[in-house]
Amino acid sequence: GEDVEQSLFLSVREGDSSVINCTYTDSSSTYLYWYKQEPGAGLQLLTYIFSNMDMKQDQRLTVLLNKKDKHLSLRIADTQTGDSAIYFCAESYSGGYQKVTFGTGTKLQVIP
Amino acid sequence: DAGVIQSPRHEVTEMGQEVTLRCKPISGHNSLFWYRQTMMRGLELLIYFNNNVPIDDSGMPEDRFSAKMPNASFSTLKIQPSEPRDSAVYFCASTLNRGRAGYTFGSGTRLTVV
Repeated sequence: GEDVEQSLFLSVREGDSSVINCTYTDSSSTYLYWYKQEPGAGLQLLTYIFSNMDMKQDQRLTVLLNKKDKHLSLRIADTQTGDSAIYFCAESYSGGYQKVTFGTGTKLQVIP
Repeated sequence: DAGVIQSPRHEVTEMGQEVTLRCKPISGHNSLFWYRQTMMRGLELLIYFNNNVPIDDSGMPEDRFSAKMPNASFSTLKIQPSEPRDSAVYFCASTLNRGRAGYTFGSGTRLTVV
């Protein structure tokens, strides 16, 4: 079945770049997503990438996809304290209705 | 748009009681999902509706859980009877056209069963 794995925790200093990594198992994944969850809130879609793309950039966010290794990463440039949150990687596949599988989440701590 | 609206935000109930969680999806979205989030199991998909019809309920834990979507703007998740192991945050999410562009989540209902 589908499985999405992430490291549990990342700590960075304010102003540095953060890189959050994710591996997935389903080679038929069509879309890959990054969501952000702040305390007491729901998940917020940050960005997504189609599986035939290698990279997507959106302001401070850069998504890199290595489809051969089934590896997805999210780079946050100039990390701010407001970026402290849990980041979820997710994949979808055309198993009838674009079913989405979420990773376990990576808690990003930004140290001032 | 006010986003996906869930109520209540917090619910504390005694074991054995019936609990009803409510969700109003974004207007125009035709797919709705109920998720449960716990520390132990992360995010679990409970049920998925498309055009108000349940499509995939394979994640519903057991018969104590039921979900309905009587119209495009309202859904409920009911637990009867509730048990302490049902304590979790329950999220509703909605999207358009099966969600290729991602989901919009509500703020969740934190359920505590004592």
